[in-house]
Amino acid sequence: QQQVKQSPQSLIVQKGGISIINCAYENTAFDYFPWYQQFPGKGPALLIAIRPDVSEKKEGRFTISFNKSAKQFSLHIMDSQPGDSATYFCAASYVSLNTGGFKTIFGAGTRLFVKA
Amino acid sequence: NAGVTQTPKFRVLKTGQSMTLLCAQDMNHEYMYWYRQDPGMGLRLIHYSVGEGTTAKGEVPDGYNVSRLKKQNFLLGLESAAPSQTSVYFCASLWTGGTEAFFGQGTRLTVV
Repeated sequence: QQQVKQSPQSLIVQKGGISIINCAYENTAFDYFPWYQQFPGKGPALLIAIRPDVSEKKEGRFTISFNKSAKQFSLHIMDSQPGDSATYFCAASYVSLNTGGFKTIFGAGTRLFVKA
Repeated sequence: NAGVTQTPKFRVLKTGQSMTLLCAQDMNHEYMYWYRQDPGMGLRLIHYSVGEGTTAKGEVPDGYNVSRLKKQNFLLGLESAAPSQTSVYFCASLWTGGTEAFFGQGTRLTVV
């Protein structure tokens, strides 16, 4: 059972277009929602993140929209570029009551290809 | 600054063989994690550690063991490898109070 559901599985966007990736979660204990970007042969790297007390966060061309009541959040990439072609993972994090450790659960990932 | 280093980068095992994957971080992070990445499944947490000498189970711990004898190292062991353990394994670390996980470059393991 996947705790964080991500769609679409793959996405093709024209250069200059908007890329949109959606995620949904069930567990209300999650209190931090990061997006990670992964290039082939590399480990994931943090792209942008949001806390549930805000509805939107923007960093350059990347924006997270967060809907707490619907338990959904999305990543928007404006003016998409070929260099944005990568796999994007949404995630949700919480502090484990058992161990006190910070745990992150990842979505299945979206492979984005931006056509030049 | 190396960050998070995984050894080895590639490995082929025969069914039933054992091996240990090593993760080393030089950022003095308390938390360390092992994930496996499979197509269409994202990253799934295998085991994690909140400090030297401590370990805890993640989402998919069966068939794996871990040890954190030194703060900077987190070892993932496969006692008797199975083809279902063919995957790319990622180690990550995080400092206490932080939220950004730093990942290694991965280990591609094939079990035949």
